[in-house]
Amino acid sequence: GQSLEQPSEVTAVEGAIVQINCTYQTSGFYGLSWYQQHDGGAPTFLSYNALDGLEETGRFSSFLSRSDSYGYLLLQELQMKDSASYFCAVNQAGTALIFGKGTTLSVSS
Amino acid sequence: DVKVTQSSRYLVKRTGEKVFLECVQDMDHENMFWYRQDPGLGLRLIYFSYDVKMKEKGDIPEGYSVSREKKERFSLILESASTNQTSMYLCASSLVEDNQPQHFGDGTRLSIL
Repeated sequence: GQSLEQPSEVTAVEGAIVQINCTYQTSGFYGLSWYQQHDGGAPTFLSYNALDGLEETGRFSSFLSRSDSYGYLLLQELQMKDSASYFCAVNQAGTALIFGKGTTLSVSS
Repeated sequence: DVKVTQSSRYLVKRTGEKVFLECVQDMDHENMFWYRQDPGLGLRLIYFSYDVKMKEKGDIPEGYSVSREKKERFSLILESASTNQTSMYLCASSLVEDNQPQHFGDGTRLSIL
């Protein structure tokens, strides 16, 4: 079967660093994507990793280890507006995404 | 900016009705997708289409069909709505390359009574 595992909830305070892990078991792996979804909003694309290593985009970074079937999203200098759900998703052949169940991040002051 | 527009933000229908959810994108994307999102289950793929008149089943196609007569429009059809199809429905589109992000509409919250 195909599955993605990520924590259901994470809490942190403003200014902190948080890491959201994602492990996957899928066929036809092309890459790992991350999406952010605020309550009541549409998911929006954050990052994509096709190769091993770290990709940095401002306060957010994403990491992939293909040999370990593992990736993470790192959020630095947390702000209240980062409170949202974060989904990892595997890009498969044929462009269909398989999404994890999402991690709800709550940032408090 | 890419714009993906879903025809209704909220929709209430009755059991047994045939329901149409419409999605239009304005960026000439080849790929279009329909997902449903339920609490604790994440996004689950219902159908997707990589070209006009082409469609592929996703993980949960039962009870649904789709139509793509024009490149910019992808319709989801609930043939005979049931209460277990009450959900948030999200449409997305993307370019054909594997590393291209999907762009989502704001969703349709569908209630079947």
